Amino acid sequence: DTGVSQDPRHKITKRGQNVTFRCDPISEHNRLYWYRQTLGQGPEFLTYFQNEAQLEKSRLLSDRFSAERPKGSFSTLEIQRTEQGDSAMYLCASSFIVGTQYFGPGTRLLVL
Amino acid sequence: DQQVKQNSPSLSVQEGRISILNCDYTNSMFDYFLWYKKYPAEGPTFLISISSIKDKNEDGRFTVFLNKSAKHLSLHIVPSQPGDSAVYFCAASTGNSGNTPLVFGKGTRLSVIA
Repeated sequence: DTGVSQDPRHKITKRGQNVTFRCDPISEHNRLYWYRQTLGQGPEFLTYFQNEAQLEKSRLLSDRFSAERPKGSFSTLEIQRTEQGDSAMYLCASSFIVGTQYFGPGTRLLVL
Repeated sequence: DQQVKQNSPSLSVQEGRISILNCDYTNSMFDYFLWYKKYPAEGPTFLISISSIKDKNEDGRFTVFLNKSAKHLSLHIVPSQPGDSAVYFCAASTGNSGNTPLVFGKGTRLSVIA
């Protein structure tokens, strides 16, 4: 399977803990995007990379969130000091520099 | 301020009939529009897209129509099948191929009844 993969698929954590999610894009896709989806809403953009460069961050991305794509392949999204409002589905997508975004299965986060 | 609006939260259609899902947008800078389908506990699956230079794009049972002057697009599914039951998201991009951050609507839940 050469689609976008995300790990873990589910994460339950206690408020105040740190969590890290991983995304492996489709091979050779230059761009990698992170979105967040809460119940009843469409996905909302968080940040995206072209190769290892972070091109844009949304205002939604507070200081507690950080994303990296160190070698231009996989990416990690870390949330520090989680809050209950961080509970959501975190989606990763990838694309070529020109082309459609294809999404992974998502990581569902529940903060207790 | 919602830039992409899907005003119908749900739609119910009989198998074999046409499903029409609507989407409105407000940002004139949007240049490319996409429809994604989402099943519970899965990521969105790309369905079909359209560039702002076109008014129609067709792929099998799926056709997307774009009316730029009205800032409106619609997805037609003909004939509808039970497997089409899912949440459909309209998305817009300022890039000319959907390769910039997407702005999504809230989705329309389609139920196709056998």
